[in-house]
Amino acid sequence: KQEVTQIPAALSVPEGENLVLNCSFTDSAIYNLQWFRQDPGKGLTSLLLIQSSQREQTSGRLNASLDKSSGRSTLYIAASQPGDSATYLCAVEGGKLIFGQGTELSVKP
Amino acid sequence: EADIYQTPRYLVIGTGKKITLECSQTMGHDKMYWYQQDPGMELHLIHYSYGVNSTEKGDLSSESTVSRIRTEHFPLTLESARPSHTSQYLCASSEVVTGDTGELFFGEGSRLTVL
Repeated sequence: KQEVTQIPAALSVPEGENLVLNCSFTDSAIYNLQWFRQDPGKGLTSLLLIQSSQREQTSGRLNASLDKSSGRSTLYIAASQPGDSATYLCAVEGGKLIFGQGTELSVKP
Repeated sequence: EADIYQTPRYLVIGTGKKITLECSQTMGHDKMYWYQQDPGMELHLIHYSYGVNSTEKGDLSSESTVSRIRTEHFPLTLESARPSHTSQYLCASSEVVTGDTGELFFGEGSRLTVL
Protein backbone atom coordinates (compact mmCIF):
# COMPACT_ATOMS: atom_id res chain seq x y z
CA LYS A 1 0.00 0.00 0.00
CA GLN A 2 1.39 3.38 -1.01
CA GLU A 3 2.21 5.73 1.84
CA VAL A 4 3.22 9.34 1.36
CA THR A 5 5.04 11.29 4.07
CA GLN A 6 5.88 14.99 4.17
CA ILE A 7 8.53 16.53 6.37
CA PRO A 8 8.46 18.91 8.12
CA ALA A 9 4.82 19.16 9.19
CA ALA A 10 5.23 22.91 9.74
CA LEU A 11 7.85 25.44 8.80
CA SER A 12 8.27 29.12 9.63
CA VAL A 13 10.85 31.22 7.79
CA PRO A 14 11.63 34.93 7.37
CA GLU A 15 10.81 36.56 4.07
CA GLY A 16 13.48 36.14 1.39
CA GLU A 17 14.78 32.76 2.49
CA ASN A 18 15.11 29.83 0.12
CA LEU A 19 13.47 26.68 1.46
CA VAL A 20 12.95 23.01 0.69
CA LEU A 21 9.92 20.88 1.40
CA ASN A 22 10.27 17.10 1.37
CA CYS A 23 7.99 14.32 0.22
CA SER A 24 8.71 10.60 0.40
CA PHE A 25 6.72 7.64 -0.86
CA THR A 26 7.02 3.91 -0.26
CA ASP A 27 6.11 2.44 -3.66
CA SER A 28 8.26 3.66 -6.55
CA ALA A 29 5.82 2.36 -9.18
CA ILE A 30 4.18 5.69 -9.81
CA TYR A 31 2.92 7.45 -12.94
CA ASN A 32 3.52 10.94 -11.68
CA LEU A 33 3.84 13.19 -8.66
CA GLN A 34 2.12 16.51 -8.10
CA TRP A 35 2.67 19.36 -5.70
CA PHE A 36 -0.31 21.39 -4.57
CA ARG A 37 -0.94 24.47 -2.52
CA GLN A 38 -3.94 24.81 -0.19
CA ASP A 39 -5.02 28.04 1.46
CA PRO A 40 -7.14 27.81 4.64
CA GLY A 41 -10.71 26.70 3.92
CA LYS A 42 -10.05 26.45 0.19
CA GLY A 43 -9.55 23.76 -2.40
CA LEU A 44 -6.18 22.76 -3.79
CA THR A 45 -4.25 24.52 -6.53
CA SER A 46 -1.87 22.49 -8.66
CA LEU A 47 1.68 23.87 -8.65
CA LEU A 48 3.79 21.34 -10.52
CA LEU A 49 3.26 17.95 -12.12
CA ILE A 50 6.26 15.66 -12.68
CA GLN A 51 5.73 12.62 -14.89
CA SER A 52 7.55 9.44 -13.86
CA SER A 53 10.00 9.83 -16.74
CA GLN A 54 10.99 13.33 -15.66
CA ARG A 55 13.48 14.43 -13.02
CA GLU A 56 12.27 17.94 -12.31
CA GLN A 57 9.85 20.70 -13.21
CA THR A 58 10.15 24.44 -12.75
CA SER A 59 7.58 27.21 -12.55
CA GLY A 60 8.74 30.67 -11.59
CA ARG A 61 10.30 30.52 -8.12
CA LEU A 62 9.28 26.89 -7.68
CA ASN A 63 11.35 23.85 -8.60
CA ALA A 64 10.27 20.28 -7.93
CA SER A 65 12.50 17.24 -8.29
CA LEU A 66 11.66 13.57 -8.43
CA ASP A 67 13.86 10.58 -7.59
CA LYS A 68 11.73 7.48 -8.10
CA SER A 69 14.42 5.02 -7.08
CA SER A 70 14.74 6.54 -3.61
CA GLY A 71 11.06 7.42 -3.34
CA ARG A 72 11.65 11.13 -2.82
CA SER A 73 10.58 14.48 -4.14
CA THR A 74 11.53 17.97 -3.06
CA LEU A 75 9.85 21.31 -3.65
CA TYR A 76 12.28 24.20 -3.66
CA ILE A 77 10.90 27.71 -3.14
CA ALA A 78 13.30 30.53 -3.91
CA ALA A 79 13.16 33.96 -2.29
CA SER A 80 10.09 33.18 -0.20
CA GLN A 81 7.35 35.80 0.23
CA PRO A 82 4.53 36.21 2.79
CA GLY A 83 2.09 35.31 0.00
CA ASP A 84 3.68 31.86 -0.14
CA SER A 85 2.20 31.07 3.28
CA ALA A 86 -0.09 28.06 2.82
CA THR A 87 -0.13 24.30 3.21
CA TYR A 88 1.82 22.44 0.54
CA LEU A 89 0.82 18.89 -0.33
CA CYS A 90 2.41 16.29 -2.53
CA ALA A 91 0.47 13.47 -4.13
CA VAL A 92 1.61 10.40 -6.05
CA GLU A 93 -0.37 8.69 -8.78
CA GLY A 94 -0.06 4.94 -9.21
CA GLY A 95 -3.61 4.06 -10.14
CA LYS A 96 -5.05 6.26 -7.42
CA LEU A 97 -3.82 9.61 -6.25
CA ILE A 98 -2.50 9.37 -2.69
CA PHE A 99 -1.77 12.53 -0.71
CA GLY A 100 0.75 13.32 1.99
CA GLN A 101 -0.28 15.10 5.17
CA GLY A 102 1.10 18.42 4.00
CA THR A 103 3.64 20.97 5.22
CA GLU A 104 2.21 24.17 6.68
CA LEU A 105 4.47 27.02 5.61
CA SER A 106 4.51 30.45 7.23
CA VAL A 107 6.66 33.19 5.72
CA LYS A 108 7.12 36.12 8.10
CA PRO A 109 7.54 39.67 6.72
CA GLU B 1 -7.84 28.50 -15.17
CA ALA B 2 -9.63 25.45 -13.76
CA ASP B 3 -13.37 25.18 -14.39
CA ILE B 4 -14.66 22.91 -11.68
CA TYR B 5 -17.46 24.00 -9.41
CA GLN B 6 -18.90 22.73 -6.18
CA THR B 7 -22.18 23.63 -4.53
CA PRO B 8 -23.06 24.35 -1.86
CA ARG B 9 -19.86 25.86 -0.44
CA TYR B 10 -21.25 25.64 3.09
CA LEU B 11 -24.09 23.55 4.47
CA VAL B 12 -25.42 23.10 8.00
CA ILE B 13 -28.10 20.45 8.40
CA GLY B 14 -29.71 18.28 11.03
CA THR B 15 -29.11 14.58 11.64
CA GLY B 16 -31.03 12.24 9.38
CA LYS B 17 -31.37 14.61 6.43
CA LYS B 18 -30.55 13.53 2.91
CA ILE B 19 -28.04 15.76 1.13
CA THR B 20 -26.41 15.93 -2.26
CA LEU B 21 -23.17 17.76 -2.89
CA GLU B 22 -22.85 18.88 -6.48
CA CYS B 23 -19.69 18.91 -8.58
CA SER B 24 -19.46 20.00 -12.20
CA GLN B 25 -16.54 20.54 -14.55
CA THR B 26 -16.53 22.09 -18.00
CA MET B 27 -13.16 20.76 -19.12
CA GLY B 28 -14.42 17.46 -20.54
CA HIS B 29 -12.29 15.47 -18.11
CA ASP B 30 -12.97 11.76 -17.86
CA LYS B 31 -11.59 11.21 -14.36
CA MET B 32 -13.36 12.71 -11.37
CA TYR B 33 -12.75 12.26 -7.64
CA TRP B 34 -14.24 13.01 -4.24
CA TYR B 35 -11.91 13.57 -1.29
CA GLN B 36 -12.79 14.08 2.35
CA GLN B 37 -10.63 16.34 4.50
CA ASP B 38 -11.02 17.12 8.19
CA PRO B 39 -9.48 20.40 9.43
CA GLY B 40 -5.70 20.21 9.49
CA MET B 41 -5.74 16.61 8.32
CA GLU B 42 -4.80 14.86 5.12
CA LEU B 43 -7.08 14.21 2.17
CA HIS B 44 -8.72 10.82 1.87
CA LEU B 45 -10.10 9.47 -1.39
CA ILE B 46 -13.70 8.32 -0.93
CA HIS B 47 -14.95 7.89 -4.53
CA TYR B 48 -13.64 8.15 -8.07
CA SER B 49 -14.83 7.68 -11.60
CA TYR B 50 -13.05 6.98 -14.87
CA GLY B 51 -15.97 8.09 -17.01
CA VAL B 52 -19.71 7.87 -17.55
CA ASN B 53 -21.33 4.97 -15.67
CA SER B 54 -18.03 4.21 -13.91
CA THR B 55 -17.77 4.68 -10.14
CA GLU B 56 -15.37 3.16 -7.62
CA LYS B 57 -14.91 3.37 -3.88
CA GLY B 58 -11.73 4.94 -2.59
CA ASP B 59 -9.47 4.09 0.30
CA LEU B 60 -11.59 5.62 3.03
CA SER B 61 -14.82 3.83 3.81
CA SER B 62 -17.72 6.19 3.31
CA GLU B 63 -21.48 5.91 3.67
CA SER B 64 -21.93 8.25 0.75
CA THR B 65 -22.77 7.26 -2.81
CA VAL B 66 -21.94 8.82 -6.17
CA SER B 67 -23.22 8.68 -9.71
CA ARG B 68 -21.75 9.58 -13.09
CA ILE B 69 -24.54 9.88 -15.64
CA ARG B 70 -22.89 12.75 -17.52
CA THR B 71 -19.20 13.43 -18.07
CA GLU B 72 -19.37 16.87 -16.50
CA HIS B 73 -21.37 15.96 -13.41
CA PHE B 74 -20.31 13.87 -10.36
CA PRO B 75 -22.71 14.37 -7.42
CA LEU B 76 -22.16 12.85 -3.97
CA THR B 77 -25.15 11.86 -1.84
CA LEU B 78 -25.58 11.09 1.84
CA GLU B 79 -28.92 9.36 2.43
CA SER B 80 -28.99 10.07 6.17
CA ALA B 81 -26.47 12.55 7.47
CA ARG B 82 -24.84 12.10 10.89
CA PRO B 83 -22.51 14.32 12.95
CA SER B 84 -19.61 12.01 11.99
CA HIS B 85 -20.09 13.19 8.39
CA THR B 86 -19.07 16.72 9.34
CA SER B 87 -16.07 17.50 7.15
CA GLN B 88 -14.90 19.27 4.04
CA TYR B 89 -15.58 17.47 0.77
CA LEU B 90 -13.35 18.26 -2.20
CA CYS B 91 -14.14 17.35 -5.79
CA ALA B 92 -11.42 17.06 -8.43
CA SER B 93 -11.04 16.13 -12.07
CA SER B 94 -8.26 15.28 -14.49
CA GLU B 95 -7.90 14.23 -18.08
CA VAL B 96 -6.53 10.85 -19.01
CA VAL B 97 -3.14 11.25 -20.65
CA THR B 98 -1.93 8.10 -22.39
CA GLY B 99 -3.55 5.98 -19.68
CA ASP B 100 -2.08 7.96 -16.81
CA THR B 101 -3.49 10.83 -14.83
CA GLY B 102 -2.88 14.36 -15.97
CA GLU B 103 -2.90 17.47 -13.86
CA LEU B 104 -5.55 17.42 -11.15
CA PHE B 105 -7.91 20.36 -10.74
CA PHE B 106 -9.86 20.91 -7.54
CA GLY B 107 -13.07 22.71 -6.74
CA GLU B 108 -13.30 25.11 -3.80
CA GLY B 109 -14.81 22.44 -1.56
CA SER B 110 -18.09 21.92 0.28
CA ARG B 111 -17.92 22.31 4.03
CA LEU B 112 -20.62 20.19 5.67
CA THR B 113 -21.71 20.48 9.29
CA VAL B 114 -24.23 17.99 10.65
CA LEU B 115 -25.82 18.93 13.96
